[in-house]
Amino acid sequence: QVQLQESGPGLVKASDTLSLTCTVSGGSLSDYYWSWIRQPPGKGLEWIGYIYHSGSTNYSPSLKSRLSMSIDTSKKKFSLTLTSVTAADTAVYYCANVDREHYNFDRWGLGTLVTVSS
Amino acid sequence: QSVLTQPPSVSGAPGQRVTISCTGSNSNIGADYDVHWYQQLPGAAPKLLIYGDNNRPSGVPDRFSVSKSAASVSLAISGLQAEDEAAYYCQSYDNRLTAVVFGGGTVLTVL
Repeated sequence: QVQLQESGPGLVKASDTLSLTCTVSGGSLSDYYWSWIRQPPGKGLEWIGYIYHSGSTNYSPSLKSRLSMSIDTSKKKFSLTLTSVTAADTAVYYCANVDREHYNFDRWGLGTLVTVSS
Repeated sequence: QSVLTQPPSVSGAPGQRVTISCTGSNSNIGADYDVHWYQQLPGAAPKLLIYGDNNRPSGVPDRFSVSKSAASVSLAISGLQAEDEAAYYCQSYDNRLTAVVFGGGTVLTVL
């Protein structure tokens, strides 16, 4: 079974860059797509983007100008970088694997809370 | 405002059946994109509940099922149990936004 674990700073200053990494175990990176989803405190889910094992990406249009994702298949990790953060980027960030046939989020990490401070 | 519309809350007594609707448009559900459902227990990460045409991952009981009509999908939970108390989210793809979209979520209270 695929397991995912997010890691990264829990506090980021406004206007700085948010960087998170997701470590994958129990599966091959080529078997799935890989995604980030976030959830502001007390609110709903927002899709951030996909990355494929080849490195190609598909980003949410609302975040595209500030977003970058990368993948390291040898280390079984993929990463998220979000620039020029504001308080609106405060959220629990989840990584998940994506079924290539149905495009559902199959398994999720536990999530990591990132707070943007002023 | 979410692209997929869900009722903010539903409730039911143990043993009853409840339904949660997820209403979209002709650029997402109406365009025949798959709709998936997630259950989020309090303080936990979301968990895949149903994907595609009524497919349940291993371990999800058949008390959970979906039905579809036009641009709307409904999640039905029968034989309601206290452990079903959670937030439920639908998810699909929108070809006008070229983005994955979620419903706003529905909080289920078991009375």
